[in-house]
Amino acid sequence: NAGVTQTPKFQVLKTGQSMTLQCAQDMNHEYMSWYRQDPGMGLRLIHYSVGAGITDQGEVPNGYNVSRSTTEDFPLRLLSAAPSQTSVYFCASSYSIRTSATDTQYFGPGTRLTVL
Amino acid sequence: KNQVEQSPQSLIILEGKNCTLQCNYTVSPFSNLRWYKQDTGRGPVSLTIMTFSENTKSNGRYTATLDADTKQSSLHITASQLSDSASYICVVSSGGATNKLIFGTGTLLAVQP
Repeated sequence: NAGVTQTPKFQVLKTGQSMTLQCAQDMNHEYMSWYRQDPGMGLRLIHYSVGAGITDQGEVPNGYNVSRSTTEDFPLRLLSAAPSQTSVYFCASSYSIRTSATDTQYFGPGTRLTVL
Repeated sequence: KNQVEQSPQSLIILEGKNCTLQCNYTVSPFSNLRWYKQDTGRGPVSLTIMTFSENTKSNGRYTATLDADTKQSSLHITASQLSDSASYICVVSSGGATNKLIFGTGTLLAVQP
């Protein structure tokens, strides 16, 4: 198993550009999510999905879109990049999101994004 | 407000020594508490997951404790190694329909030879 993979590893954008961060998992996990990690702050949830065709907003969804057409893939789209979106982005997956789930959450290696 | 606070922010220890990292939380309702290890430039990796009824869980040289009454957890690292140098993140799950995870800001541990 490759686990959770993310591409690209690094990206530099200019303000106003759009791009898609890719995330894929090969563990047949129902639950996938996107986080951003900023210095001095805990990871913050951007969007999540509980299965193919189902997505919902997290704590900081503004400026980002997601879709889940397959179980394996969960891309994150930046619609019009802003300097405030400079961050490290992590994709994660786990088997389920059912109440009181103690499933291990697996994180990808991250994408470091800089918006100029 | 749901919060997870970790202390210390950073810590330097000598190889072979033990250390304890602290986590205090004000999350309600409470489902479970997790500790993650995050190496520089990598994603977090799960170390332990504890539910309300568990007060200790080990993973090799890592031992986590949980006191649900005082809402405190600790992560004890025994006989530290250079490879233990990383950020250690405490995460509390509030359960419910979305099983929301609240992340602490982490303790940065440096193990020196």
